[in-house]
Amino acid sequence: NAGVTQTPKFQVLKTGQSMTLQCAQDMNHEYMSWYRQDPGMGLRLIHYSVGAGITDQGEVPNGYNVSRSTTEDFPLRLLSAAPSQTSVYFCASSTGLAGGNTDTQYFGPGTRLTVL
Amino acid sequence: AQSVSQHNHHVILSEAASLELGCNYSYGGTVNLFWYVQYPGQHLQLLLKYFSGDPLVKGIKGFEAEFIKSKFSFNLRKPSVQWSDTAEYFCAVNARAAGNKLTFGGGTRVLVKP
Repeated sequence: NAGVTQTPKFQVLKTGQSMTLQCAQDMNHEYMSWYRQDPGMGLRLIHYSVGAGITDQGEVPNGYNVSRSTTEDFPLRLLSAAPSQTSVYFCASSTGLAGGNTDTQYFGPGTRLTVL
Repeated sequence: AQSVSQHNHHVILSEAASLELGCNYSYGGTVNLFWYVQYPGQHLQLLLKYFSGDPLVKGIKGFEAEFIKSKFSFNLRKPSVQWSDTAEYFCAVNARAAGNKLTFGGGTRVLVKP
């Protein structure tokens, strides 16, 4: 298993440009999520999905869109990049056990995004 | 909503010293607790987790953590650190009522001097 993969590893954008960060997992996990990591603030949840066709907002969703058309893929879209979105982005997945219990989340290698 | 605080932003130690990183959370309900580690240039890896049972949890690489419910704490410990333990450590909490959503602390950067 490759686990959780993310592309690209690095990206530089100009303000106003759009792009999609890719995330894929091959563990048949139902639950997938996107976090951003900023110094001193830990990881903050952007969006998450509990299964194909179902997404919801996390703590910091503004400026980001997601979709989940398949179990494997969970892309994150920046429609109009802003300097405040300069960050490291991590995708994670887990089995999403029923009953509200969580299983361990597995993280991808991250995408370092700079918006000029 | 739950929140997580890690008391130290930076810790500098010498090899063989003992390490303890504090983590407190605020949430009145049942929680799952995690410690993740991020080595330089790498992604987050799970060190250990607590779901239920024995409040003293042992993880990989000699780390352990103790859940003290009355203090809303989940402190991480290692009796004798190595240079390879240089990393950033994150405490995370999942409120069972919140499904799979994790709330992370701000992280503690640990530097172990050889």
